[in-house]
Amino acid sequence: DARVTQTPRHKVTEMGQEVTMRCQPILGHNTVFWYRQTMMQGLELLAYFRNRAPLDDSGMPKDRFSAEMPDATLATLKIQPSEPRDSAVYFCASGFLTDSYTGELFFGEGSRLTVL
Amino acid sequence: AQKITQTQPGMFVQEKEAVTLDCTYDTSDPSYGLFWYKQPSSGEMIFLIYQGSYDQQNATEGRYSLNFQKARKSANLVISASQLGDSAMYFCAMREDNFNKFYFGSGTKLNVKP
Repeated sequence: DARVTQTPRHKVTEMGQEVTMRCQPILGHNTVFWYRQTMMQGLELLAYFRNRAPLDDSGMPKDRFSAEMPDATLATLKIQPSEPRDSAVYFCASGFLTDSYTGELFFGEGSRLTVL
Repeated sequence: AQKITQTQPGMFVQEKEAVTLDCTYDTSDPSYGLFWYKQPSSGEMIFLIYQGSYDQQNATEGRYSLNFQKARKSANLVISASQLGDSAMYFCAMREDNFNKFYFGSGTKLNVKP
């Protein structure tokens, strides 16, 4: 059963520490999204990739967040340095999307980050 | 402007009754897709149903149907014969085909009462 895999599921860290979240998209999917979910802001789009190329990361605080896709099986979201306001659930989602085909997004189970 | 608006933060429905969750969207892109996702308390996001902007008929998937009114830019989710397991957050989402972005609404928390 194909699924999006995210690690870690839970992370508690102290302010100022570096945090790296990883995502393995479903094999064959060409688009990967990173979302952040908080009670106040709901689901915010942070960044997304098509065929490993970053298409849009305008939703991401550039000074501390970075997103990469070093290969087709791995997407990473890094926060350095982390701050308490970064506490949230971070979702990775993948899908097969083209200009003429709209596919659904498949979500990972999320990484719950707590920054103390 | 909000791309997706869900005006019902929370709703209650009696078990076995039908319920409609509202969603309106804003786009100038002629080609787009509309989605509904369910997020139970466990946190995962579960895809429910999809409607393409050019689809003539309303989408249906089991007990879920999407009431698509293009001129009004609304895409309401109808759940028939509610079950206790339907208690969850429900998110409406839109993909604009020109921009390849998915936008999500703020969600509606549905509680099904026995």
